[in-house]
Amino acid sequence: ETGVTQTPRHLVMGMTNKKSLKCEQHLGHNAMYWYKQSAKKPLELMFVYNFKEQTENNSVPSRFSPECPNSSHLFLHLHTLQPEDSALYLCASSQLLAGVETQYFGPGTRLLVL
Amino acid sequence: GQQLNQSPQSMFIQEGEDVSMNCTSSSIFNTWLWYKQDPGEGPVLLIALYKAGELTSNGRLTAQFGITRKDSFLNISASIPSDVGIYFCAGQQFGSARQLTFGSGTQLTVLP
Repeated sequence: ETGVTQTPRHLVMGMTNKKSLKCEQHLGHNAMYWYKQSAKKPLELMFVYNFKEQTENNSVPSRFSPECPNSSHLFLHLHTLQPEDSALYLCASSQLLAGVETQYFGPGTRLLVL
Repeated sequence: GQQLNQSPQSMFIQEGEDVSMNCTSSSIFNTWLWYKQDPGEGPVLLIALYKAGELTSNGRLTAQFGITRKDSFLNISASIPSDVGIYFCAGQQFGSARQLTFGSGTQLTVLP
């Protein structure tokens, strides 16, 4: 595997379900991100992990719970979601070098909450 | 928060035509990135720009980092059907590591 991978690619869940999204990066990067992409909206940054430490939480509801066990893996645990949480969830990774970085994205998980 | 103004929002062009899109900001950025996103997929990095005035090509794609550091453009020459998709610009401000600001995207349609 190369780059950034995400599983599952598609997920349908009820509002009472608990599910998890998984992201893995094979680029040796030290930062990982979760983004939410809704139709006709710019990408929304949800969480940032820098060297496995969460450094950013952009006012995300507690029904979204991230986990970063190591610098290559990132999870997003979902519980009691709402229909408006249906979106494409994108994972990204980057390496900070000399103050600049380039983020590389995974293919995303298309989530539908019924 | 900071936003990037990306234009145009959508474009319909004939196959073989050249395309130009741009992003502007009221703030200075030290990195400009251009991504392409196909339906149901994640954004794929096309070109990264790290220096004011930098002009970089990737095949038929050319992007420039504006001299003022507040804008960037992307050109696609001799468009082909597989160029269809949404093109996003993204910028990183100095001192804002781990924070990219994204444009709202340009939807490109290439007509045969």
